[in-house]
Amino acid sequence: EADIYQTPRYLVIGTGKKITLECSQTMGHDKMYWYQQDPGMELHLIHYSYGVNSTEKGDLSSESTVSRIRTEHFPLTLESARPSHTSQYLCASSEGCCYGYTFGSGTRLTVV
Amino acid sequence: AQTVTQSQPEMSVQEAETVTLSCTYDTSESDYYLFWYKQPPSRQMILVIRQEAYKQQNATENRFSVNFQKAAKSFSLKISDSQLGDAAMYFCAYLTSYDKVIFGPGTSLSVIP
Repeated sequence: EADIYQTPRYLVIGTGKKITLECSQTMGHDKMYWYQQDPGMELHLIHYSYGVNSTEKGDLSSESTVSRIRTEHFPLTLESARPSHTSQYLCASSEGCCYGYTFGSGTRLTVV
Repeated sequence: AQTVTQSQPEMSVQEAETVTLSCTYDTSESDYYLFWYKQPPSRQMILVIRQEAYKQQNATENRFSVNFQKAAKSFSLKISDSQLGDAAMYFCAYLTSYDKVIFGPGTSLSVIP
């Protein structure tokens, strides 16, 4: 049973709309991550957080923003969606060093 | 910078047979962690197995085992007695010393009944 939850599971939205992808975890993990997974299935880190009020950009440039006001919640926001944002977005968390990540089920976003 | 390579974009295996997925990585670090993740179609990615680089013993989890060759920077995954539920995308991953995970491009595994 997943301890990290992403909503919505699927989203189709028009160009220019503002959207927020939700990610919540119940494990008390300090570290959380957002990955973008392209159609070729490669994963690219776009944002991460090591705790409340701490957010950093990842290796792949992204027009999205994140916030971390509570430990359990790490939402990702796109102010103005574009077709190039069409992708799957995976949220993950980790307990600390070295144990690997727990992933959510992902949000598959389509911008038309 | 560390890189992770999976040279087999697609693999297939007959049900009940054994398959090995390849992974190589490049690093100058001596202590690190390696992982294999499984992502079934439209389902959650899960951790399959974890290897600590300072341990020479290969990790094993039920039907899943690794062949870790530190000098060769190789970390292959062996799946024994393959089952239909093993069909998935498999990602090899490396945990850097600055606590980021680098994923390989993935290998798509099909299981033939």
